[in-house]
Amino acid sequence: ETGVTQSPTHLIKTRGQQVTLRCSSQSGHNTVSWYQQALGQGPQFIFQYYREEENGRGNFPPRFSGLQFPNYSSELNVNALELDDSALYLCASRPRSGGADTQYFGPGTRLTVL
Amino acid sequence: GDSVTQMEGPVTLSEEAFLTINCTYTATGYPSLFWYVQYPGEGLQLLLKATKADDKGSNKGFEATYRKETTSFHLEKGSVQVSDSAVYFCALRGQGGSEKLVFGKGMKLTVNP
Repeated sequence: ETGVTQSPTHLIKTRGQQVTLRCSSQSGHNTVSWYQQALGQGPQFIFQYYREEENGRGNFPPRFSGLQFPNYSSELNVNALELDDSALYLCASRPRSGGADTQYFGPGTRLTVL
Repeated sequence: GDSVTQMEGPVTLSEEAFLTINCTYTATGYPSLFWYVQYPGEGLQLLLKATKADDKGSNKGFEATYRKETTSFHLEKGSVQVSDSAVYFCALRGQGGSEKLVFGKGMKLTVNP
């Protein structure tokens, strides 16, 4: 039990639609990262938020965007969905006092794009 | 850029068998190295880590040693149990303060009684 929850568990969308995925972290976790895990692959870093601002981004296009809220929740938004966006999306958070190696992962949201 | 190459599965072992999962990396300087485990329906969990050369990480009977000379971080366990069935990921965090993790493709392990 990591204390990080994600919703929804599963989601089905069609190409061109927009989707919002949610992550809820433990109190005091002020850094959150999002990862995309395609089937049979390792997770790939999308971006990280610290104190409600993006402070690091992987090789993902601008249609992937995020928000972080003061209540330790966050969102991943994906616009203009493509078939290749089908994946497990993971969020990871860490406490204010923890080092970069103390990240806690949520169980993920499985997104299917038809 | 940084990358991780790990042994891919799936692998099936009998209970009490010896386990080795190979992992090599490419990165500048001295990255931190990790093994994560993903049980069915659960999020990634940190299994062990090592932050400098020759460090040995260990947890739950698993061990891995940071080998700078061979850029490797192989995972071993002397006697696996059915409860070790999961997907194992090798990962690194590059030097320089970034918290971005770079993962290998993962290896699915099934342990039969």
